[in-house]
Amino acid sequence: DAGVTQTPRHEVAEKGQTIILKCEPVSGHNDLFWYRQTKIQGLELLSYFRSKSLMEDGGAFKDRFKAEMLNSSFSTLKIQPTEPKDSAVYLCASSYRGRDTQYFGPGTRLLVL
Amino acid sequence: QQKVQQSPESLSVPEGGMASFNCTSSDRNFQYFWWYRQHSGEGPKALMSIFSDGDKKEGRFTAHLNKASLHVSLHIRDSQPSDSALYFCAARSNTGNYKYVFGAGTRLKVIA
Repeated sequence: DAGVTQTPRHEVAEKGQTIILKCEPVSGHNDLFWYRQTKIQGLELLSYFRSKSLMEDGGAFKDRFKAEMLNSSFSTLKIQPTEPKDSAVYLCASSYRGRDTQYFGPGTRLLVL
Repeated sequence: QQKVQQSPESLSVPEGGMASFNCTSSDRNFQYFWWYRQHSGEGPKALMSIFSDGDKKEGRFTAHLNKASLHVSLHIRDSQPSDSALYFCAARSNTGNYKYVFGAGTRLKVIA
């Protein structure tokens, strides 16, 4: 079984650029999560989709972060414009139902200069 | 405010020793718990879930839940260097949209 796939694994951006991160969840999973991970803040929820509907958009991340689920097997996270404080690891996870164990991808490490 | 508090922040144990982690929920609605482990450069992976009072054992890993105090612990016996990782406690609400929250994590180092 394929796990959660994330691309790219590494991204370097200049301040002000637009970047798009991609995620393919586990086949058959209904729920998809985007997280940001830093050493100081830990895991922060950016977005939560249930059966492609946006259930939670992470509040503080609304203005420059936009996640979309184009279909049940593909999601993107757009950061526009990027700022140096966005440097972090971005993780995508999926679960069969929101109540269940989450399966994480390997993450995308973003560096904004 | 953090709904899930983890302790300690970091932990070092000798190879073959016991590693113990603690987690407490500050919200009585969050009563379903998971433990995840994250090795460097990878995403977190679920180790085990525990929803009922008492112990749950899976191999070298034992979780214990006390719902009255909303406290869950994880114990790893016979720790191996490959157990060195970041360990997260996660809790899920049993109301509303079944919100899922993670603790800040405990970093384990197993010394050979």
